[in-house]
Amino acid sequence: ETGVTQTPRHLVMGMTNKKSLKCEQHLGHNAMYWYKQSAKKPLELMFVYSLEERVENNSVPSRFSPECPNSSHLFLHLHTLQPEDSALYLCASSQEPYGTGGPYEQYFGPGTRLTVT
Amino acid sequence: DQQVKQNSPSLSVQEGRISILNCDYTNSMFDYFLWYKKYPAEGPTFLISISSIKDKNEDGRFTVFLNKSAKHLSLHIVPSQPGDSAVYFCAASEGAGSYQLTFGKGTKLSVIP
Repeated sequence: ETGVTQTPRHLVMGMTNKKSLKCEQHLGHNAMYWYKQSAKKPLELMFVYSLEERVENNSVPSRFSPECPNSSHLFLHLHTLQPEDSALYLCASSQEPYGTGGPYEQYFGPGTRLTVT
Repeated sequence: DQQVKQNSPSLSVQEGRISILNCDYTNSMFDYFLWYKKYPAEGPTFLISISSIKDKNEDGRFTVFLNKSAKHLSLHIVPSQPGDSAVYFCAASEGAGSYQLTFGKGTKLSVIP
């Protein structure tokens, strides 16, 4: 595998379900990101992890819970979602920009298309 | 309020001609700009970037121009090829140390053979 991979590619879940999205990067990066892309809206940054520590949380509801067990893996745990949470969820990675002369471009995975019924 | 705006949702260009995609921004703290290309069912792919200390950056058929006083940047693709048909996103960052990329809504480019 190369680049950034995401599983599953498609997910349909009910409002009472619990599910997780997985992201893995094979680029040797140490910063990872979750983005949300809703219809007719720009990509919105949700969370940032740098060196496995969460460094940004852009006012995301607690029904979204990220986890970064190591610099190559990132999860997004989902529970009691709402229909308006249906969107494309994108994972990205980059070199760690803080104090290293960045910024650096982010590399994206293919996304998980989530539908909440 | 959107800080990065791509006012043209779509653009059609003949193969071999120049494609010009435009982007405007409002945040004067932005000093690093990127263009991404996205095909259906794939994630955005990094294309080219420019720092605010430059006004032009070129990579093969792709050139990005930055006009800081107008808070405007553009991506030129020449010559355009059918494989360039995709959605193009403009993104901006506040520079060194920043994790945040602020994206525009995208422009769908169609290159007609």
